[in-house]
Amino acid sequence: DGGITQSPKYLFRKEGQNVTLSCEQNLNHDAMYWYRQDPGQGLRLIYYSQIVNDFQKGDIAEGYSVSREKKESFPLTVTSAQKNPTAFYLCASSIPTGINSPLHFGNGTRLTVT
Amino acid sequence: GESVGLHLPTLSVQEGDNSIINCAYSNSASDYFIWYKQESGKGPQFIIDIRSNMDKRQGQRVTVLLNKTVKHLSLQIAATQPGDSAVYFCAETNQAGTALIFGKGTTLSVSS
Repeated sequence: DGGITQSPKYLFRKEGQNVTLSCEQNLNHDAMYWYRQDPGQGLRLIYYSQIVNDFQKGDIAEGYSVSREKKESFPLTVTSAQKNPTAFYLCASSIPTGINSPLHFGNGTRLTVT
Repeated sequence: GESVGLHLPTLSVQEGDNSIINCAYSNSASDYFIWYKQESGKGPQFIIDIRSNMDKRQGQRVTVLLNKTVKHLSLQIAATQPGDSAVYFCAETNQAGTALIFGKGTTLSVSS
């Protein structure tokens, strides 16, 4: 089955530590995205990548970093500079023709930082 | 700035009723709109989309209406079922046309 795999489902870290969230897709999609979701809120765009070795900041990129070395993978690092890192993180991908097509989402990683 | 909003954070209906979820958007240049359903602890699932050159699009039990004059989007669910209980999000393309901007969501509760 094709899809997007996010791991782990739950992640716990101490304040001050960097943490990397994994996102892998086997849909052969060029574009990949990271969104953050807080309770009762919509999804906010962190970073996106339209092609390998290229990525752009979204609306709330501060305190996050990404890499896109492979088409299938788009890991997100939550750095210690992110002031409120506890949230539900969602990864998505879309077909090569661009944004005017549905995003396919993974089932998210819930990060808790104490 | 860009924003996508929903008129009501919650909607409660009886099983079998029709549901209407509304969304107001701000980017008049958006040419693509989409509705997602999100169940607890899961990622959003695609329901239906519509391009700006259309006013209406129908799927299985769902209809999306687009009113570009007042920048309003709605999702109609026919014969709502308990399995439709979830949070529903509308989204539109951002100014650059490179990503989707999401509203805050409406929680639909269906009682039997």
